[in-house]
Amino acid sequence: GEDVEQSLFLSVREGDSSVINCTYTDSSSTYLYWYKQEPGAGLQLLTYIFSNMDMKQDQRLTVLLNKKDKHLSLRIADTQTGDSAIYFCAVSYIFGTGTRLKVLA
Amino acid sequence: DSGVTQTPKHLITATGQRVTLRCSPRSGDLSVYWYQQSLDQGLQFLIQYYNGEERAKGNILERFSAQQFPDLHSELNLSSLELGDSALYFCASRNSDYVGYTFGSGTRLTVV
Repeated sequence: GEDVEQSLFLSVREGDSSVINCTYTDSSSTYLYWYKQEPGAGLQLLTYIFSNMDMKQDQRLTVLLNKKDKHLSLRIADTQTGDSAIYFCAVSYIFGTGTRLKVLA
Repeated sequence: DSGVTQTPKHLITATGQRVTLRCSPRSGDLSVYWYQQSLDQGLQFLIQYYNGEERAKGNILERFSAQQFPDLHSELNLSSLELGDSALYFCASRNSDYVGYTFGSGTRLTVV
């Protein structure tokens, strides 16, 4: 079945850019997603990319998709302390392990 | 409020017991997905229902079962509970008219 992998932790300084990476095995999904989970809360859709796109920009968020390598990344520019959360990559309804982003002041 | 309602929010029960978690999807959403979130295992997909029919099955234990009713709400039944079943259980719903999955706030199950 589908497998979605992410690194578990990322720590950055406030104001720096954060890059969260994700690899997957099944390339048949129409959409790939990034979700954010704040402490004690459910998951919220942050952004998504259509499978025939290479890049999508949404304010401070940039999503890059490399279909050949089955690699998805999320870049957060000017990272703020409020961005501290767990970020999940999802391919269709299969979610990755989540990356816990910690932003240091 | 996401529109997906999960009850109860918290549940504490003993090993060997059986519990039922309930999910009401967003109005009009036909698909319901169940997930288990443990500390060290990310978000594990358990099972999907679409308009009352099972559509996809993930890493769901035989002790667990689910169903979706005619009013589209879904229930996840967990039986012969073990300490390792302690986790957050999320329900998500989806409609083909929009992108993404809408999550409920989860049920935290603690098995003691």
